[in-house]
Amino acid sequence: EAGVVQSPRYKIIEKKQPVAFWCNPISGHNTLYWYLQNLGQGPELLIRYENEEAVDDSQLPKDRFSAERLKGVDSTLKIQPAELGDSAVYLCASSSGTSEDTQYFGPGTRLTVL
Amino acid sequence: GNSVTQMEGPVTLSEEAFLTINCTYTATGYPSLFWYVQYPGEGLQLLLKATKADDKGSNKGFEATYRKETTSFHLEKGSVQVSDSAVYFCALKGTGGFKTIFGAGTRLFVKA
Repeated sequence: EAGVVQSPRYKIIEKKQPVAFWCNPISGHNTLYWYLQNLGQGPELLIRYENEEAVDDSQLPKDRFSAERLKGVDSTLKIQPAELGDSAVYLCASSSGTSEDTQYFGPGTRLTVL
Repeated sequence: GNSVTQMEGPVTLSEEAFLTINCTYTATGYPSLFWYVQYPGEGLQLLLKATKADDKGSNKGFEATYRKETTSFHLEKGSVQVSDSAVYFCALKGTGGFKTIFGAGTRLFVKA
């Protein structure tokens, strides 16, 4: 069974440019998470989807960050415009749908903003 | 709010040494507790979990016991291998909730 797929794995951009990350969760997983992981820190939740609905986006900086999961399967996280402080690893995870389910993480996208 | 504190790394051990990585938490109610492991170049993987006080989670020779009286969930392994070199994250999730709070991670290096 394929795991959570993310692309690209690495991205280098200049500040003020837009950037987008893509995630394909494990087949059948209704819940999808986007996390931010700064260097030397644990992941921090940005947004959680139940199917196509964003049910927890309280930590998403909505002035520059946006996300979508239009058909309730794959998802895109966008930053526009990127700032130097956005350099981090962006992780996607998915789970079956109840609070007791294990989260499965993708390998992440490492973003460097110059 | 909920929080997790784990010992700073890196931790460097020789093969077959005993491993302890300390983790303490602050939470209301009865959270579930987890250890995740991140191998180089890979995503986080659930290593073990415990959902109530005095539960012991175990996997791949690692174990951790949910101690409510000391609000701790220390990770232990009796004999580490080079292949255990990774970053280990302690985490908690509140009762009935989806939000997982992670510690900062502890990097483990095991030398042959």
